[in-house]
Amino acid sequence: ELKVEQNPLFLSMQEGKNYTIYCNYSTTSDRLYWYRQDPGKSLESLFVLLSNGAVKQEGRLMASLDTKARLSTLHITAAVHDLSATYFCAVGNYGGSQGNLIFGKGTKLSVKP
Amino acid sequence: GAVVSQHPSWVICKSGTSVKIECRSLDFQATTMFWYRQFPKQSLMLMATSNEGSKATYEQGVEKDKFLINHASLTLSTLTVTSAHPEDSSFYICSAGRTGGAVGTQYFGPGTRLLVL
Repeated sequence: ELKVEQNPLFLSMQEGKNYTIYCNYSTTSDRLYWYRQDPGKSLESLFVLLSNGAVKQEGRLMASLDTKARLSTLHITAAVHDLSATYFCAVGNYGGSQGNLIFGKGTKLSVKP
Repeated sequence: GAVVSQHPSWVICKSGTSVKIECRSLDFQATTMFWYRQFPKQSLMLMATSNEGSKATYEQGVEKDKFLINHASLTLSTLTVTSAHPEDSSFYICSAGRTGGAVGTQYFGPGTRLLVL
């Protein structure tokens, strides 16, 4: 059974600081997703990581994937208040065809001035 | 592109009534749609996977007679919560996989907030 663990679950950081959110998963998968959710809203897709060593960056966020360690990281650089949200990683639970995603519990990020 | 809509965005109903939620892919065809439920401050839990023209596949612990899913066309899936009770109050989110698109990529709808009194 595929399990996805995120840590930390809560993160309070000051503007301008850097931090990393970790996502571990228990069995082999061929893709990993990062999403952002604002309060009362649905999910916004941030990154799709498809291969070992994949790194993607968008603004102050950078995601990477190590399939051997079954670990993905979401690195935040010089945080700003607008990044405050809940971030979820999700891992594809299938092989070769469309299937479901297993979500981590989410990391609630609060960026304070 | 790849926009998914849900209707209604929120609904309040009395206990014992049924509620239908629609999920539409607006600018693409979706062979597969997924229904998730999210309780406050928790993660998304997959309820069922629906494929156009066939019966939905429900996750363990989800009552298929209570949560009726119909995927009658390549752009529409519906979730009906039958005989709703207060414990069914939740945020319901659908997602759609684009037919012929990148395998596994799902596009999420804006969600439907259900409150059962």
